[in-house]
Amino acid sequence: GENVEQHPSTLSVQEGDSAVIKCTYSDSASNYFPWYKQELGKRPQLIIDIRSNVGEKKDQRIAVTLNKTAKHFSLHITETQPEDSAVYFCAANPSNDYKLSFGAGTTVTVRA
Amino acid sequence: EPEVTQTPSHQVTQMGQEVILRCVPISNHLYFYWYRQILGQKVEFLVSFYNNEISEKSEIFDDQFSVERPDGSNFTLKIRSTKLEDSAMYFCASSADSYNEQFFGPGTRLTVL
Repeated sequence: GENVEQHPSTLSVQEGDSAVIKCTYSDSASNYFPWYKQELGKRPQLIIDIRSNVGEKKDQRIAVTLNKTAKHFSLHITETQPEDSAVYFCAANPSNDYKLSFGAGTTVTVRA
Repeated sequence: EPEVTQTPSHQVTQMGQEVILRCVPISNHLYFYWYRQILGQKVEFLVSFYNNEISEKSEIFDDQFSVERPDGSNFTLKIRSTKLEDSAMYFCASSADSYNEQFFGPGTRLTVL
């Protein structure tokens, strides 16, 4: 089955700086890679996703890049704000599979 | 914007008791899922459900677990005889198809004493 590794486990950044979270996956059949943000005690919420037919996707301050050859994908948050503080999970979904396999999560703290 | 809803928000039960967690997926979605998250850990897949049957299940989803769609709106997870290690947040999710984004409910925190 799919195995998703996520780094770092914690990330502290100064407000206005960028944050980068990296994930690797094991199943070359994976073709859908969502990122979820989870605030304390709340549900995971999709913030951006990418499919294997593109290498990069951007939505305002958030971008995701995908390297299919190396089987890794990254989340980039620019101009971080205190409200970006949360746990971020990457996930992968193989094309022949129904489930999302999640990474272990990254706790992002944006210092004001 | 439509959302997945779950009840109850918190369930406390004694070890060995049966619990039923309830979910109302987004109305036009066809795929339904249960995940769980032990405190401080990653979200883990339990089971997916499509066309009134289980499409996939994980090793966690053993004989003690079952799912049901009793009517056109509800999707339930039953744990027949709860164990201490079943204590976790249980999330229901739904999606329009199997290759699109999954929308998560707010979760049910299950505490087994």
